[in-house]
Amino acid sequence: EAGVVQSPRYKIIEKKQPVAFWCNPISGHNTLYWYRQNLGQGPELLIRYENEEAVDDSQLPKDRFSAERLKGVDSTLKIQPAELGDSAVYLCASSFVYGNSPLHFGNGTRLTVT
Amino acid sequence: EDKVVQSPLSLVVHEGDTVTLNCSYEVTNFRSLLWYKQEKKAPTFLFMLTSSGIEKKSGRLSSILDKKELSSILNITATQTGDSAIYLCAVGAGGTSYGKLTFGQGTILTVHP
Repeated sequence: EAGVVQSPRYKIIEKKQPVAFWCNPISGHNTLYWYRQNLGQGPELLIRYENEEAVDDSQLPKDRFSAERLKGVDSTLKIQPAELGDSAVYLCASSFVYGNSPLHFGNGTRLTVT
Repeated sequence: EDKVVQSPLSLVVHEGDTVTLNCSYEVTNFRSLLWYKQEKKAPTFLFMLTSSGIEKKSGRLSSILDKKELSSILNITATQTGDSAIYLCAVGAGGTSYGKLTFGQGTILTVHP
């Protein structure tokens, strides 16, 4: 079974530039999560989708962050414009929403904003 | 607001030692508690504990959920250098927050040969 696939693995941009991350979840998983992980900390939820609906985006900084999950499969997370404080690892995860199903994570995108 | 706290934040041991990692939580509509191991890449799933399964074991790793104390421990016996990683605890919510998973800050375990 293929795991959660994220791209790119690394991204270095200058502040005020836009950046986008892509995620392909495990086939059949209807729930998709974007987490941000700062160095030395646990992942923090940015947005959670059930199919194509964003059911929890309360932690997403909506002035500069946006996300979409077209057709309830792949998802894209965008930052525009990026700030120095956005440097972090962005993790995508997926799971079945019903039943006791653990999250499966992708390898993440390490973003460095200079 | 849901809260998950892990302790200690870091731990250094020698191969063969036994370690105990702690996780405490305050969450509305508790549903499950999960342990993950994170090396250089993605967190990988270790255990899930729920009201119907409060104790799990796999090889040298075991975990117990104490719903009364709102906490869990992860034990690793006969540690090896390959156990060096960040161990993350996460709590899943139910009710209107079904599917929401809140993570602790992690425990950094370093095992020296």
